[in-house]
Amino acid sequence: EAQVTQNPRYLITVTGKKLTVTCSQNMNHEYMSWYRQDPGLGLRQIYYSMNVEVTDKGDVPEGYKVSRKEKRNFPLILESPSPNQTSLYFCATRLGGASSTGELFFGEGSRLTVL
Amino acid sequence: AQSVTQLGSHVSVSEGALVLLRCNYSSSVPPYLFWYVQYPNQGLQLLLKYTSAATLVKGINGFEAEFKKSETSFHLTKPSAHMSDAAEYFCAVSDSDSWGKLQFGAGTQVVVTP
Repeated sequence: EAQVTQNPRYLITVTGKKLTVTCSQNMNHEYMSWYRQDPGLGLRQIYYSMNVEVTDKGDVPEGYKVSRKEKRNFPLILESPSPNQTSLYFCATRLGGASSTGELFFGEGSRLTVL
Repeated sequence: AQSVTQLGSHVSVSEGALVLLRCNYSSSVPPYLFWYVQYPNQGLQLLLKYTSAATLVKGINGFEAEFKKSETSFHLTKPSAHMSDAAEYFCAVSDSDSWGKLQFGAGTQVVVTP
């Protein structure tokens, strides 16, 4: 079954405590991306990766890091979380290049609360 | 740069009534347009997409959308609402030049009343 798996699904943490949200896909997709969803703002892109070792900033990259060492994994790192990073986070993937139809496949989301 | 505006953050419809969700876009190049649906505690899933073929696009669960270039709109409709249609709906646009950037609207929450 095609899947985008995020962990953890729910996390409550404190300001400044480093955390990583993992994302793994089994569809052999080149493109992977992280979004955050906030009420009234829709989804905003944090970072994206067109392929292994290729990452780029989205609209709201401040306070986040990513890496793409393997095709299937794209972890999101919050080095020093702050309360304004409390949000619902989604990982999304799609095929790359000419093979793509543009459709994104989403994980189920990770709800993060920073106290 | 492209952008999307969804009119109405909340829409309430009666079961069996027409569902109409409005989406207007701006794009400097021919756009690709999408509607996604998000059910409670789930990720987003694709309802339908427009990629420069037919202007009337049919999607899953009885939804359809019409691309109107003159109005820069891509409104989503369903003739008869079902209780299971209660969800949040997002319109999104991508430039045809690049798949890297999918811009989402703020979303419309649909409530279906008996």
